[in-house]
Amino acid sequence: QITLKESGPSLVKPTQTLTLTCTFSGFSLSTNGVGVGWIRQPPGKALEWLALIYWDDDKRYRPSLKSTLTITKDTSKNQVVLTMTNMDPVDTATYYCAHIVGTTVTVWGQGTLVTVSS
Amino acid sequence: DIVMTQSPDSLAVSLGERATINCTSSQSVLYSSNNKNYLAWYQQKPGQPPKLLIHWASTRESGVPDRFSGSGSETDFTLTISSLQAEDVAVYYCQSRFSFGGGTKVEIQ
Repeated sequence: QITLKESGPSLVKPTQTLTLTCTFSGFSLSTNGVGVGWIRQPPGKALEWLALIYWDDDKRYRPSLKSTLTITKDTSKNQVVLTMTNMDPVDTATYYCAHIVGTTVTVWGQGTLVTVSS
Repeated sequence: DIVMTQSPDSLAVSLGERATINCTSSQSVLYSSNNKNYLAWYQQKPGQPPKLLIHWASTRESGVPDRFSGSGSETDFTLTISSLQAEDVAVYYCQSRFSFGGGTKVEIQ
C-alpha cells in the first residue's frame, strides 16, 4: 500500500523560506518511471503543480515559480523535500505530495495547510 | 505550457441523471509512440485530497464504479457520470502533464 505524508510548518512569515518534507512508503523512488510531486491548492481554488522529481533525478518546476522552488530526494530515507523561498500571503494553500507514474498522480497525501502571515 | 480548460464550472444534476464534464487542452496530449492520450480525471470531495478516477483518458482505476467513464482524444475530452449518486457530489479535475483544469463542481439538483 502506497502512503505519503507531508510535514512542515503550518505558519510562515512573508519573505521566509518554506521547507516541506514528504515521507513515503510502499514504493521506491529508484523504480523506473516513478516520481514524487508537490501540488498545492489555495483555499477554495484549483490544484496547481509545483514541482516533481523522478527516479532518475529529473526535475520539473512550475515555470512561474521556478526561481523560488527546489526539490530534492533522499532515496535511502524515502523522503522528498521541497523548499520555496520568499513566501507571500498568496502562497497560503494546502500542499500535497503525491506518487507519480509518468505524469499521472496515482496516490495523494492528506495534505498540509500552510498559512503565510505576519 | 499546456493549458487545460474545463466546462462548465459547476452543474446541478438530479439523482440518477447523467452528468457530463468537458475538458479541452491547448495542445494534443496524444502520444504517437504508444497511441495513448495522457489525460487523467480526479475527484475531490470536501476536506479530502483528490482521488484518481481515470487515466489515459478512458482507463478506470480499480474500484471506481463503472458509472464513471472517460472519452475523447487529442484535445477534447469528457468525463461522464451515467447515473449520478449522492456520493458523487464533488469537484472534478482533468489533468495532463503538469497542468490541471480549473475544476467542475457537481451538485445534486
